[in-house]
Amino acid sequence: GDSVTQMEGPVTLSEEACLTINCTYTATGYPSLFWYVQYPGEGLQLLLKATKADDKGSNKGFEATYRKETTSFHLEKGSVQVSDSAVYFCALRQTGNQFYFGTGTSLTVIP
Amino acid sequence: NAGVTQTPKFRILKIGQSMTLQCTQDMNHNYMYWYRQDPGMGLKLIYYSVGAGITDKGEVPNGYNVSRSTTEDFPLRLELAAPSQTSVYFCASSYESDTEAFFGQGTRLTVV
Repeated sequence: GDSVTQMEGPVTLSEEACLTINCTYTATGYPSLFWYVQYPGEGLQLLLKATKADDKGSNKGFEATYRKETTSFHLEKGSVQVSDSAVYFCALRQTGNQFYFGTGTSLTVIP
Repeated sequence: NAGVTQTPKFRILKIGQSMTLQCTQDMNHNYMYWYRQDPGMGLKLIYYSVGAGITDKGEVPNGYNVSRSTTEDFPLRLELAAPSQTSVYFCASSYESDTEAFFGQGTRLTVV
């Protein structure tokens, strides 16, 4: 069945450090891929998405590229800020079907 | 824009009590979902609906029931609360195609 595996945390970085959170997926078709962010005490918010191979999603300095050959959708940011501290979830969805979420990666950015 | 609204935000239940978690969306989305989030476990799908009058089980449906009488509302019912149902519950909605889900703020439920 469809599934998502993402890097386990927690991850702690200093401000302005580079971030990579790995995400790989298993799917029979050609799913859409998403990164969601959850700030403390809040629901999940869409961070970025990509709907087909080689698409790059980007938002707020974060980027992820849909790599069909490696079945990956790694989240990257060149310079993190304290305000980026949150839990990040990778997810996939086949057209018209339910979502599958990874277990989440907690990021803490220290000044 | 209201988006997805969940009530209540917090609730403490005693073992064996029942309650309904409310969820409503104003985006005319066909798909709605209920997830539970346990620490370090990610999100697990409880039930989902592809439209009014249609519901289906997700990964962890035992102990829960849902109904979808309107496009807007998708309440989740706990009939006999158990400590294992202590969790944070999220409702979400989306369009039919490969689009993103929009989440509510969550309901933190404690069963004692």
